[in-house]
Amino acid sequence: ETGVTQTPRHLVMGMTNKKSLKCEQHLGHNAMYWYKQSAKKPLELMFVYNFKEQTENNSVPSRFSPECPNSSHLFLHLHTLQPEDSALYLCASSQVLVSGSTDTQYFGPGTRLTVL
Amino acid sequence: AQKITQTQPGMFVQEKEAVTLDCTYDTSDPSYGLFWYKQPSSGEMIFLIYQGSYDQQNATEGRYSLNFQKARKSANLVISASQLGDSAMYFCAMREGRGTGANSKLTFGKGITLSVRP
Repeated sequence: ETGVTQTPRHLVMGMTNKKSLKCEQHLGHNAMYWYKQSAKKPLELMFVYNFKEQTENNSVPSRFSPECPNSSHLFLHLHTLQPEDSALYLCASSQVLVSGSTDTQYFGPGTRLTVL
Repeated sequence: AQKITQTQPGMFVQEKEAVTLDCTYDTSDPSYGLFWYKQPSSGEMIFLIYQGSYDQQNATEGRYSLNFQKARKSANLVISASQLGDSAMYFCAMREGRGTGANSKLTFGKGITLSVRP
């Protein structure tokens, strides 16, 4: 595997289900991100992890719960979602440089989520 | 005010011709980075090109170049010799500050749809 991978690519779930999205980066990066892309809206940053520590939570509802067990893996746990949460969820990774600044973000293919 | 503005409607270009996709940005931070990404129908966001606010030269990457006009706060993407595979959504994004810690996030524009005609 190369780059950033995401599974599953497509997910349909009911509002009472619990599911998880998985992201894995094979680039040796140490920062990972979750973005949400809804129809006709710009990408919205959800969470940022630097060195496995969450550094940004962009006012995301608690029904979305991120987990970053190590620098290569990022999960997004989903429970009691709403139909308006249907969107493309994109994961990205980047390298935190020696200076502390962040390099270019590279994205995975996304998970297309539909909430019924 | 929007930080990244992409106002062009769907763009069409003939194969092998050049096309310019517009992007204007708004920031008071003297240090920032500008990015262009391509998103085909498959959904993946593909990094194309980067321009730093202190870079003296316009960035180029193969058929992609960035027309950076700092005073006008514009960062237009130029694609030369368009190919059918260039048909996609194109997003302009900005990172404010040096990208440290919480400032590592990108702010995206709404995107522009480009269709390349054979």
